[in-house]
Amino acid sequence: SQTIHQWPATLVQPVGSPLSLECTVEGTSNPNLYWYRQAAGRGLQLLFYSVGIGQISSEVPQNLSASRPQDRQFILSSKKLLLSDSGFYLCAWRGYNEQFFGPGTRLTVL
Amino acid sequence: DQQVKQNSPSLSVQEGRISILNCDYTNSMFDYFLWYKKYPAEGPTFLISISSIKDKNEDGRFTVFLNKSAKHLSLHIVPSQPGDSAVYFCAASEENRDDKIIFGKGTRLHILP
Repeated sequence: SQTIHQWPATLVQPVGSPLSLECTVEGTSNPNLYWYRQAAGRGLQLLFYSVGIGQISSEVPQNLSASRPQDRQFILSSKKLLLSDSGFYLCAWRGYNEQFFGPGTRLTVL
Repeated sequence: DQQVKQNSPSLSVQEGRISILNCDYTNSMFDYFLWYKKYPAEGPTFLISISSIKDKNEDGRFTVFLNKSAKHLSLHIVPSQPGDSAVYFCAASEENRDDKIIFGKGTRLHILP
């Protein structure tokens, strides 16, 4: 069966510091992968998605970036965090028609 | 432009009664619709879905109704239970597309004792 991992589970970072969140998927090959952010009053905002290694589509202009160095690995990064980057970050992979989500990372930027 | 809209941020329902969560969409190309349930500090979990070739799909206590002409769908939970208290997200996509599923902002459901 497929499993999706995210780490860290929680993170507190100062403004201006870098960020790296990692997501890995097991039990499937060449999955479509997604990064979402859930912020207060904003629902689930799609940030990036990837249909293959090195292929990244950005949905929202911001100071975040994503990379897919391996088939089942998806990384969300920032060079300098902003206060507005605080939120709950979710990685997901897509099955036939549904998306399956990881446990999420709670990021607090102070 | 929000393509999937959940206009009720929250809803309170008495335990044992019916919970009805509503969702509207604007993109006529959407042909597959999903509902997700999310507890705090956890990832959303898939609940139920419906294809545009149907107008109803039922799974236990959960039923999703689709009205294509009105671009409206709803999730019915009968009977409502305390464990149903969560945030419910409506989502839509074009079936068999490789890219994205569009989510609404969610509705927080409170089941009252």
